[in-house]
Amino acid sequence: DTAVSQTPKYLVTQMGNDKSIKCEQNLGHDTMYWYKQDSKKFLKIMFSYNNKELIINETVPNRFSPKSPDKAHLNLHINSLELGDSAVYFCASSPAGLAGARRETQYFGPGTRLLVL
Amino acid sequence: GDSVTQMEGPVTLSEEAFLTINCTYTATGYPSLFWYVQYPGEGLQLLLKATKADDKGSNKGFEATYRKETTSFHLEKGSVQVSDSAVYFCALLINNNDMRFGAGTRLTVKP
Repeated sequence: DTAVSQTPKYLVTQMGNDKSIKCEQNLGHDTMYWYKQDSKKFLKIMFSYNNKELIINETVPNRFSPKSPDKAHLNLHINSLELGDSAVYFCASSPAGLAGARRETQYFGPGTRLLVL
Repeated sequence: GDSVTQMEGPVTLSEEAFLTINCTYTATGYPSLFWYVQYPGEGLQLLLKATKADDKGSNKGFEATYRKETTSFHLEKGSVQVSDSAVYFCALLINNNDMRFGAGTRLTVKP
C-alpha cells in the first residue's frame, strides 16, 4: 500500500493557468510538507503544515498555497503558473508536530512532474 | 545557517567497485542525519539514518556513520551493483522538523 501518494504524476499546462497537486498519506502522521526539486535535483522546502500551524518558506511566491481538507491530505494550489515553476514537487509526511524538539523521519511521495509551457 | 554539503557528481563506477559519497554538515544543534535515494523516474526513498553521534545507519549494503568530530556522514558501500544507479541525497533534520538537503550526487554503475 502506498504510504504517501500524489496526483497527478505528470502535469503539463500553459503559463497563466491555475492548477492543484494532491497529496494523501495513510500513515497517520501529524505533519505534511511540500518540496520543490529543480532541474539540478536540488530540494527545497516550501511548506510545513499540520492542523495547527503552517510554516512557509519566505522564498515561496504567494501564488503557491497549501490547502488541507483534513489531516491526511495536503494539496498544493498554484495560481498564474510561470515557466520557472516547472519542477518536480514532492509531498512528504512525518509523525511529529511542528513545535518542539522532536525530529522524525520524513516519508516522501513519488513526486509530481510539472511542466509549464 | 544549518546546511549540508555533499560531493559533486556525477560518480561513475564499475560494478563491484567500492563507493564513497562524502557528506559534511553545519549545524548549531544536534541534528539527525539521513541518506535518501532517488531512482530514475521515482520519488525519494529513505536509505538510512542516524540520530546521534557515533550511530551507524545501514541498509541494502550501504553504511554511514555519524561523526560529530568531523561533522560528517559519508555514505559507503563495499560492492556496488548496476541497480544502485540513482541520485543520493544527504540531509539533516533539526528542530521543528526542518529538513535540509544536499545538492544530490548522481551515481552511475556500469556493468
